[in-house]
Amino acid sequence: QVQLVQSGAQVKPPGASIKVACTASGYTFTGYYIHWVRQAPGHGLELVGWINPNSGDTRYRQKFQGRVTLTAARSISTVYMEIHNVTSDDTAVYYCARDFETLDYWGPGMLVTVSS
Amino acid sequence: EVELTQSPGTLSLSPGDRATLSCRSSQTVYSDYLAWYQQKPGQAPKLLIYGSSTRATGIPDRFSGSGSGTDFTLTISRLESEDFAVYYCQQYGNSITFGQGTRLEIK
Repeated sequence: QVQLVQSGAQVKPPGASIKVACTASGYTFTGYYIHWVRQAPGHGLELVGWINPNSGDTRYRQKFQGRVTLTAARSISTVYMEIHNVTSDDTAVYYCARDFETLDYWGPGMLVTVSS
Repeated sequence: EVELTQSPGTLSLSPGDRATLSCRSSQTVYSDYLAWYQQKPGQAPKLLIYGSSTRATGIPDRFSGSGSGTDFTLTISRLESEDFAVYYCQQYGNSITFGQGTRLEIK
């Protein structure tokens, strides 16, 4: 069955970088884009960007351009999201999700807390 | 960006009632690429409907989606206890954007 497993919660100080992993199983990893969506505490859902794991092509929402990097390691079916220079506004649960028609399978989410 | 506005913000109903949730877009949603998700506390969103009206795998037929252009509706025909949650609409015809959510609570 399709599964997306995410790395564990992180606490980082302002100005640090965070790197989140999303490991896929149960389907052909290179056949589907992976999207990253975040949800700040008590708020709605916000797209960060997406990656084509086959080609490595990426797209980022404008507000994240230059501060977020998505990469894929095909040999281990894993996609990474790195956010640089984090602030308290980046405190959120970060989800990875597979794109088939739209976001059909989601990871469980990973809480990132930015705090000094 | 395409903006999605959901109404009402909160809907208070009883089990067995019919729920009607609305999603309005700031511009025509390309090819009616409109989806609905259910999210329960501490869980990831779950895809219910895509392409405005197609139920995702395993979704009960009490959930139905309709609409086109800029106005879309999610209907839950007879509410069951497990349906009380937050619902988000999402368009994927022009990048991806989400509505702000409708909270469906027990009356």
